[in-house]
Amino acid sequence: GENVEQHPSTLSVQEGDSAVIKCTYSDSASNYFPWYKQELGKRPQLIIDIRSNVGEKKDQRIAVTLNKTAKHFSLHITETQPEDSAVYFCALSYNTDKLIFGTGTRLQVFP
Amino acid sequence: NAGVTQTPKFRVLKTGQSMTLLCAQDMNHEYMYWYRQDPGMGLRLIHYSVGEGTTAKGEVPDGYNVSRLKKQNFLLGLESAAPSQTSVYFCASSYATGELFFGEGSRLTVL
Repeated sequence: GENVEQHPSTLSVQEGDSAVIKCTYSDSASNYFPWYKQELGKRPQLIIDIRSNVGEKKDQRIAVTLNKTAKHFSLHITETQPEDSAVYFCALSYNTDKLIFGTGTRLQVFP
Repeated sequence: NAGVTQTPKFRVLKTGQSMTLLCAQDMNHEYMYWYRQDPGMGLRLIHYSVGEGTTAKGEVPDGYNVSRLKKQNFLLGLESAAPSQTSVYFCASSYATGELFFGEGSRLTVL
């Protein structure tokens, strides 16, 4: 079945630096890979997603890359800002009706 | 357009008591989900539904029951609450396998 591991669990960066969060999975049939951001006390919200027929997707300062051979996908945030501080979750699914989440990464951006 | 609404937002139970969490969505979504969120564990899928009258087990279904009698509502029940069920519960809905729209969460404490 679907399973996803997320690293690191915490990440601290200086404002303006880049942040990278990586998720690995075991089921090669997984084909949908979204990333969610959860600010303190708020609900998770989708920030970017990618499907298995695409290797990279960008949206302003955030990007997601997918390596199907190695079975991992990563979230890249450039020029980090204090408002990027939050918990980020990767997730995946395979043509199924359910989305399985990683354990989350707490990102802190220091001014 | 309220999106996804969960009630109640907070509840304290004694061990052995029962309760029901209600999730309502006004986006005409077919799919609905119940997740629980615990520190360091991410979001774990309890049960989900792909349409009115259908339900399926997720990753951690034991101790919970669900019903989807109406398309817009998804109920999560705890028949005999245990301290291990202390958590924040999130309901979510989606049109298909894509973006999940989450409710604000329900914080449950079992003493």
